[in-house]
Amino acid sequence: DVKVTQSSRYLVKRTGEKVFLECVQDMDHENMFWYRQDPGLGLRLIYFSYDVKMKEKGDIPEGYSVSREKKERFSLILESASTNQTSMYLCASSLFPFGTSYEQYFGPGTRLTVT
Amino acid sequence: QKEVEQNSGPLSVPEGAIASLNCTYSDRGSQSFFWYRQYSGKSPELIMFIYSNGDKEDGRFTAQLNKASQYVSLLIRDSQPSDSATYLCAGRLYNFNKFYFGSGTKLNVKP
Repeated sequence: DVKVTQSSRYLVKRTGEKVFLECVQDMDHENMFWYRQDPGLGLRLIYFSYDVKMKEKGDIPEGYSVSREKKERFSLILESASTNQTSMYLCASSLFPFGTSYEQYFGPGTRLTVT
Repeated sequence: QKEVEQNSGPLSVPEGAIASLNCTYSDRGSQSFFWYRQYSGKSPELIMFIYSNGDKEDGRFTAQLNKASQYVSLLIRDSQPSDSATYLCAGRLYNFNKFYFGSGTKLNVKP
């Protein structure tokens, strides 16, 4: 059974703080993703990584950075948290997509509130 | 232009009816499509995927793909109140990492 875990379910931070969100998967997946989900906007890709130390920007990378030092761990960093980064953050992983399937598996999510 | 579009709903159906959820996409490249179910406050979970034209059945769920018309649908037969959730449609080009998610359709199944 694929398992994707995230370090916190709920997090409250102050404006200007540096925030780290951690994600770990136990299925040796090459790909890992960070999304944020907001009402009416759906899932928006922030960054993804297809290998250790490799990363690519998604659709909304501004204000975020990522780190992938080990295959199983992918971190999202909010350099200076702002109130518009209050959101649900979802981590996902998948095998490298040779072919037709290879779905994404999601972690439980982190509900971040920036005050 | 969004790559994958869904009607946000809510779609309301009575218990026991067939629920029909639809999704259109803009990229004509070869793609796989995935249907996820997301309960309120929870993360998305995969229901099924489809990549060939036609129907694919799994229990009460049937996914349909029409590449000529660029739409994907999910039919839920014998809908149950426990099916009430938001359903996300996602597409992925073959051999590419990036998934494109629709904004989701909220389904309410009324007892």
